[in-house]
Amino acid sequence: DVKVTQSSRYLVKRTGEKVFLECVQDMDHENMFWYRQDPGLGLRLIYFSYDVKMKEKGDIPEGYSVSREKKERFSLILESASTNQTSMYLCASSPGIRDRSNQPQHFGDGTRLSIL
Amino acid sequence: AQKITQTQPGMFVQEKEAVTLDCTYDTSDQSYGLFWYKQPSSGEMIFLIYQGSYDEQNATEGRYSLNFQKARKSTNLVISASQLGDSAMYFCAMRVPNYGGSQGNLIFGKGTKLSVKP
Repeated sequence: DVKVTQSSRYLVKRTGEKVFLECVQDMDHENMFWYRQDPGLGLRLIYFSYDVKMKEKGDIPEGYSVSREKKERFSLILESASTNQTSMYLCASSPGIRDRSNQPQHFGDGTRLSIL
Repeated sequence: AQKITQTQPGMFVQEKEAVTLDCTYDTSDQSYGLFWYKQPSSGEMIFLIYQGSYDEQNATEGRYSLNFQKARKSTNLVISASQLGDSAMYFCAMRVPNYGGSQGNLIFGKGTKLSVKP
C-alpha cells in the first residue's frame, strides 16, 4: 500500500513565524502535491512537483513556497505565517500519469495548522 | 472552463439503505478521468472509485458504483447498503490532460457531507 506521511497531525504556530510542513511518500512516485482545505471551499492546490527540484504553482501559491530536494520528500513552507493561513493542509502523491492516467492521488492524513 | 459541481452540501440516509451523491463536470476535453474520495472526520482522503471517459461500463468497487452519464456530464456515486462508517465527506474530482501541467492535476468539487442514521 502507498504510504504518504505528514510530519504532524496538529500544529500551532504564531503570526510571523516560518513554518515547515513535511511530507514523505514511500512509493517512488514522481508527482507530489500540497493542498489546503477550508470549509465550503473544498481542496485548493497550492503547489505541485513532477520531479526532484522541480515545482509549479497551483491555484493559491501566495504566501507559500515548496522544496523538493529528494524524490520522496516534498516540503511546504509558510515564509511568514498569518492567521488567514489557519487551515487543514493535505499532501498527496501519484505516479507519473503519461501511461497510467487512471492512477489516483494518494493522500496523507493531513495537518491541522493553527496560526495564533 | 474545467469545473466540478457537487450540489448537495449535506445528505442523510438511513442505515442499510442506498444513497446517491451527485456530481456534474464541465470540460471540453474528450479524454478525462473521474475520481471519488471519502474523507472521514479524522481527515484522511481515501480513494474510492475511478471512471475513465472512454469506459463503456459503469465502474463498481464493492458497495460503491458510479452512474456515469457522459452526455449529461454526470458521474453520481451510489453507495448501497449504507453503514454507519460511511458517514463522511465525499469529494468528486476530475483529471483532464494539460490542466495544471502536462500530466493533468485533479480538480475537486466542494464535497457532500453524508450522515448515516441508525
